[in-house]
Amino acid sequence: GQQVMQIPQYQHVQEGEDFTTYCNSSTTLSNIQWYKQRPGGHPVFLIQLVKSGEVKKQKRLTFQFGEAKKNSSLHITATQTTDVGTYFCAGSRGSARQLTFGSGTQLTVLP
Amino acid sequence: DVKVTQSSRYLVKRTGEKVFLECVQDMDHENMFWYRQDPGLGLRLIYFSYDVKMKEKGDIPEGYSVSREKKERFSLILESASTNQTSMYLCASSRKGANVLTFGAGSRLTVL
Repeated sequence: GQQVMQIPQYQHVQEGEDFTTYCNSSTTLSNIQWYKQRPGGHPVFLIQLVKSGEVKKQKRLTFQFGEAKKNSSLHITATQTTDVGTYFCAGSRGSARQLTFGSGTQLTVLP
Repeated sequence: DVKVTQSSRYLVKRTGEKVFLECVQDMDHENMFWYRQDPGLGLRLIYFSYDVKMKEKGDIPEGYSVSREKKERFSLILESASTNQTSMYLCASSRKGANVLTFGAGSRLTVL
């Protein structure tokens, strides 16, 4: 079946440093989404990428979808303590409405 | 404020008990999903439903069943709970033709 791998599993950064998490799929995706889960909370939708090579920005967050639509990344510039949480990518194939989630990257920001 | 509500935040059950996890959404969404979340494994899809009385198996359906008698309600059933079903269970919904998920707060189940 479809697999979505995400690395790293954990990342500790000093406040102000940059952070990147990477997502790779074993199959071509129709779209990829990113979610953030704060400690003790539930996943919250951040963004969806659909087009090959697409880049989207949300303030300090930059999301990319690879040309082959099999990989994606989330980059945070100058991390803040409010960025703490686990970031998940999730992809779907074809017209499927169900998502396959990566294992997540748990970000810790040290003040 | 639209939302997905899970009836129990924390449950403790004994091995062999029947467990019901309830989920209700007020967004008139057609699609509903049950995931379980375990450290290092991310979110794994148990069952999903695209319509009332309809259900489809996800990636890890063994040991679980579901019920969707009304559009807004999707129940997860553990017929005979086992210790390896100790986990966080997340319900989610999405509107017809889309797959952006809105999650509930989660139900943390411990099976002793």
